[in-house]
Formats: sequence, structure tokens, C-alpha cells
Amino acid sequence: ETGVTQTPRHLVMGMTNKKSLKCEQHLGHNAMYWYKQSAKKPLELMFVYNFKEQTENNSVPSRFSPECPNSSHLFLHLHTLQPEDSALYLCASSQDGGRVTGANVLTFGAGSRLTVL
Amino acid sequence: QKEVEQDPGPLSVPEGAIVSLNCTYSNSAFQYFMWYRQYSRKGPELLMYTYSSGNKEDGRFTAQVDKSSKYISLFIRDSQPSDSATYLCAMSGENYGQNFVFGPGTRLSVLP
Repeated sequence: ETGVTQTPRHLVMGMTNKKSLKCEQHLGHNAMYWYKQSAKKPLELMFVYNFKEQTENNSVPSRFSPECPNSSHLFLHLHTLQPEDSALYLCASSQDGGRVTGANVLTFGAGSRLTVL
Repeated sequence: QKEVEQDPGPLSVPEGAIVSLNCTYSNSAFQYFMWYRQYSRKGPELLMYTYSSGNKEDGRFTAQVDKSSKYISLFIRDSQPSDSATYLCAMSGENYGQNFVFGPGTRLSVLP
């Protein structure tokens, strides 16, 4: 496995379900990110973890709960979601969460397509 | 006013055409400018990275940044059907975080 791997690729859940999205990076990076991508909207930053510590929570509702057990793995736990939460959830990683440079760029996974019924 | 504006398209061009994709922005603190390409059912992949104003060329792709006008462009020469994708501009201040923002993307179709 190389790069950033996200599972599952597709998820359909009811509003009362609890599910989790998983992200794993094989790049030796120290920062990991969750983004939400909705149709015709810019990517929305949700959470940032830098060296396993959460450094950003972009006013995300508590029904989304991130977990970063180590620098290679990132989870997004989902519970009591709303239909408007249906979107593509993208995980990304970078060497670290500090300065943006040509050597410290975001690498994305393929995303998990979430549908909330 | 949105922080980053980008024409969503779709933009359809014949194979071999020169494609021009553009973004405008409002935050003068942005210093780093990137273009990502996103194929259907895939995540975005970094295509071009530039710092401050100027041009950068990589094969058929040229990125231009005009900070005085708050305007960035991506040119694709001799476009190919394999270039059909959504192109996202992104820009940032010095550090990652909420100051790293994306445009909504332009969907490009290159017709054989």
C-alpha cells in the first residue's frame, strides 16, 4: 500500500446509525487532515492533527468525532448524522502541519463517499 | 465576497486546445498558490506549486500568479482527453490550517 488509503470508499447510513471512516497514510507524514467536499463547494477543512495532537477544529458539529491514535492513522466517527452531511470525506496528510512549502504539501486519499438517509 | 472564486464550468475544449483556468482571491496574505487535479472518484493530486508572484512551467502546464491583481492562472498546452478532470486552485498563508483554502473547482472536458 502506498500513499493515503481511505476505507470504506462508500458508506450509506441512517440518521441513527454509528459508523467510522478510516484513513491510513504510508508516507511517514506527521500531520493528518479531514476535509469535507460537497458538490460545487470548496473543500472544507474539518480537523487537523499534527504529531497526534488536534490543532484545528473548524467549528465542526459534535456528531463528527475524530480520533488519531498515531501519526499514520486517522478516524472519523459518525453518529446521528443529518442528510446534509452527505458528501465526500477526504483525508490528507503532509510532512507536518507547519509551514507550507514545496516539500510539505498535502497528499489526499481517494475519499469516502457518505450518504445519509 | 467569497475568499476564493473560480468558474465552476463545465469547460469543454477540443483535443490540442490551450486551456486557461483561473482563480481570483481577496486575502492579500496568501503567499503560496497551488493547483490540484481531481479525477472522478479520486482525491485531489497536486499539479503545480508556486510561491509569490511569477510563472512556473512543468511540461504542458504553466502556472501564473499575479499578486497585485489577486489572480492566478493555470494554462494547459496541447490538451489531451486524459486532462479531463476537475481543477482546484488552493492558496495559503505561511502555515497550514484554516488559512489554507481551496476554490470550488473547474470541471474540464477535453474532447477527442
